[in-house]
Amino acid sequence: AQTVTQSQPEMSVQEAETVTLSCTYDTSESNYYLFWYKQPPSRQMILVIRQEAYKQQNATENRFSVNFQKAAKSFSLKISDSQLGDTAMYFCAFPTGGTSYGKLTFGQGTILTVHP
Amino acid sequence: DAGVIQSPRHEVTEMGQEVTLRCKPISGHDYLFWYRQTMMRGLELLIYFNNNVPIDDSGMPEDRFSAKMPNASFSTLKIQPSEPRDSAVYFCASSRGRGPEAFFGQGTRLTVV
Repeated sequence: AQTVTQSQPEMSVQEAETVTLSCTYDTSESNYYLFWYKQPPSRQMILVIRQEAYKQQNATENRFSVNFQKAAKSFSLKISDSQLGDTAMYFCAFPTGGTSYGKLTFGQGTILTVHP
Repeated sequence: DAGVIQSPRHEVTEMGQEVTLRCKPISGHDYLFWYRQTMMRGLELLIYFNNNVPIDDSGMPEDRFSAKMPNASFSTLKIQPSEPRDSAVYFCASSRGRGPEAFFGQGTRLTVV
């Protein structure tokens, strides 16, 4: 079975600093996507960034970047220049078979608090 | 585009009552997913549809839960009868083709008392 593990239930960071959230996964597939979703207090699930497994280059979206280690099955999210609006729960997610990448298995989530 | 639209945003009902949650996917999307979020189990997939046809309902917890998609622009998740342990946030999501991105609605918070 494919699993996704986030080992940090909670993290905090000062505004403008950098924080890294960890995620490991287990799969036997060779080509796949990995996602980080953000869930702010409004409850909306927002896609932050995605990584294609066959691409060696780590994905970057503005202040958000990933460190993708395929052999280690590790997919961490780095948030640079943290802002108060980054306060949210962050989920790592992995497509689990089927015919769509929308069929996702989520990690347990990491609550991130950005302090002023 | 308006995004995935779910209704109601909040629902409070008494144990034993029937509850119907509604979802309108993004126009042109042919996949629709129902997820449930609880403190104990996190986010889990209940069922998903492709072109209005249920593909995988292995996540539906029991016979009290049912989902339908009568057309490409509407889906329902029904719980009958509801129980307090059904209290959760229910999300609907949709995607175009295989993806890769699934777009989520704002969720329905269900409380069964």
